Amino acid sequence: GESVGLHLPTLSVQEGDNSIINCAYSNSASDYFIWYKQESGKGPQFIIDIRSNMDKRQGQRVTVLLNKTVKHLSLQIAATQPGDSAVYFCAEMNTGNQFYFGTGTSLTVIP
Amino acid sequence: KAGVTQTPRYLIKTRGQQVTLSCSPISGHRSVSWYQQTPGQGLQFLFEYFSETQRNKGNFPGRFSGRQFSNSRSEMNVSTLELGDSALYLCASSPGRGRNTIYFGEGSWLTVV
Repeated sequence: GESVGLHLPTLSVQEGDNSIINCAYSNSASDYFIWYKQESGKGPQFIIDIRSNMDKRQGQRVTVLLNKTVKHLSLQIAATQPGDSAVYFCAEMNTGNQFYFGTGTSLTVIP
Repeated sequence: KAGVTQTPRYLIKTRGQQVTLSCSPISGHRSVSWYQQTPGQGLQFLFEYFSETQRNKGNFPGRFSGRQFSNSRSEMNVSTLELGDSALYLCASSPGRGRNTIYFGEGSWLTVV
């Protein structure tokens, strides 16, 4: 039969708008989280990280929010630009010092 | 500071052959981990090496192996290649102690025909 590939959630935003990408993580013991950006044909690129003793961290045009109660992570990108078009992954590190990656969200910025 | 370097970037192999991929970590980084990325399975952890010792291992068959050298450079090998091994193989490095960000290379694209 036909094999079904991984269907990435997609998000399309207008250039200049803010983007919010969400991620649900699985392990309540995970205490370190990273967001990566992966452009077509390239390896994942570090964007921002957050440890479990924080609930918000800001970088340049990006903010990560962590809600440990519902095991939810979000990445907010302010004033989204065409260069932000990529697949975004969240990664969680558990007590075993190993990263587990989400399936990713494909962001398309419409000029 | 140079980033993580992977070679080769692209390669095509035939079923049954074996392949070796190489990774040079960021200078000073002692941990190297390998991931397989496919459209069907996303990013899957293969193994992690620290100071020449395998510290963590993912759920892959024994055909997948790796090693790390004293200069922290790492290689991974896949023997008896199958069509399903076609993927992007990513190497990532980190300082290795504590909870640290891992930094990825550009990957090696393997196509098995």
